[in-house]
Amino acid sequence: RKEVEQDPGPFNVPEGATVAFNCTYSNSASQSFFWYRQDCRKEPKLLMSVYSSGNEDGRFTAQLNRASQYISLLIRDSKLSDSATYLCVVNYGGSQGNLIFGKGTKLSVKP
Amino acid sequence: ETGVTQTPRHLVMGMTNKKSLKCEQHLGHNAMYWYKQSAKKPLELMFVYSLEERVENNSVPSRFSPECPNSSHLFLHLHTLQPEDSALYLCASSQDFSYEQYFGPGTRLTVT
Repeated sequence: RKEVEQDPGPFNVPEGATVAFNCTYSNSASQSFFWYRQDCRKEPKLLMSVYSSGNEDGRFTAQLNRASQYISLLIRDSKLSDSATYLCVVNYGGSQGNLIFGKGTKLSVKP
Repeated sequence: ETGVTQTPRHLVMGMTNKKSLKCEQHLGHNAMYWYKQSAKKPLELMFVYSLEERVENNSVPSRFSPECPNSSHLFLHLHTLQPEDSALYLCASSQDFSYEQYFGPGTRLTVT
């Protein structure tokens, strides 16, 4: 069974805080990994892809641990505009473009 | 226009109506997808098309009928829907199956 598990939150943090989200996936055959953010009543938007060596984009850092089958997202110096739901997404590849979405972790950054 | 567009953005329909949702991608991608997002549930994949051929149908009821006339356009034809079909319907596209998907703004559907 292919599953992606996330802590639903909500994470309530003050501006400037550092916050980390974890996500676990069940199928070791998974091929690619992504973090999306989704604002209320809007579509998911790609935040970043996650590479085996880890990658950073400004205040955001993503890590992949294949041995333990988890993915993390670190947000430094949180801004009010970071408030959203963060979706962990795993692509199992194959001939079906099978993206499995987690239920998302809700982040609320307060002044 | 760029990215992935969807029309209409909002739709209210009765259970006996027939309507269609439209998606268009301007990214030159080869794969397109329909998803359903209900409240407090993760996105559910409904249909996948690659180069206009359907490759996935996740046991979606026949009252939902997809159509992909070319690699840039995707339709979802709706008929005799149920109130529980009310949801946000999202279209996405990707260069190929291993690549990240880009979503349209969605159609918020209410079935009365």
